Amino acid sequence: NAGVTQTPKFQVLKTGQSMTLQCAQDMNHNSMYWYRQDPGMGLRLIYYSASEGTTDKGEVPNGYNVSRLNKREFSLRLESAAPSQTSVYFCATSGTGVHEQFFGPGTRLTVL
Amino acid sequence: QKEVEQNSGPLSVPEGAIASLNCTYSDRGSQSFFWYRQYSGKSPELIMFIYSNGDKEDGRFTAQLNKASQYVSLLIRDSQPSDSATYLCASSSARQLTFGSGTQLTVLP
Repeated sequence: NAGVTQTPKFQVLKTGQSMTLQCAQDMNHNSMYWYRQDPGMGLRLIYYSASEGTTDKGEVPNGYNVSRLNKREFSLRLESAAPSQTSVYFCATSGTGVHEQFFGPGTRLTVL
Repeated sequence: QKEVEQNSGPLSVPEGAIASLNCTYSDRGSQSFFWYRQYSGKSPELIMFIYSNGDKEDGRFTAQLNKASQYVSLLIRDSQPSDSATYLCASSSARQLTFGSGTQLTVLP
């Protein structure tokens, strides 16, 4: 089992370019999440999907869109990248019960 | 605004000592609490969770929860250099986790 996978691992964009970060899980979890992690600021929730077909905004949704393609896949799109979006992006999943989350390996994004 | 506060450190302890990591949270509706370990350049890895007042032990790790004081702690016994990492505390409410900014722990050989 791969658990939670993310592509790409690294990406460099120029200001104004767009891109989609992909996340897939084989844990059969209903809930999926996108976070960004910046130095000294911990993990901040961008968007989440409690179940297939639903998405909700988190703490820092501006400049991002998401798609819950099916139960396995949850993508994050930057329509017009800005230097402030330079960060490490983590996807996470959660099943039922106490709601512990399991993280993917992350995508390191630099916007020039 | 839900907040989880951690001392950012760095915290240094000698090998074999007990490392004590602390966390406070603001949302009294929080139901469960989690400790994650994050090595530099890697993703957060769940160490353990706790949802009842008191202590919960798992190997060298003990999580402590005091809901009245809104306080969570993690004790690492017999600390090893391989425990050197950033430790993230998180609280759970409505299927979402709120994370602290993490405490950097260094275990000195």
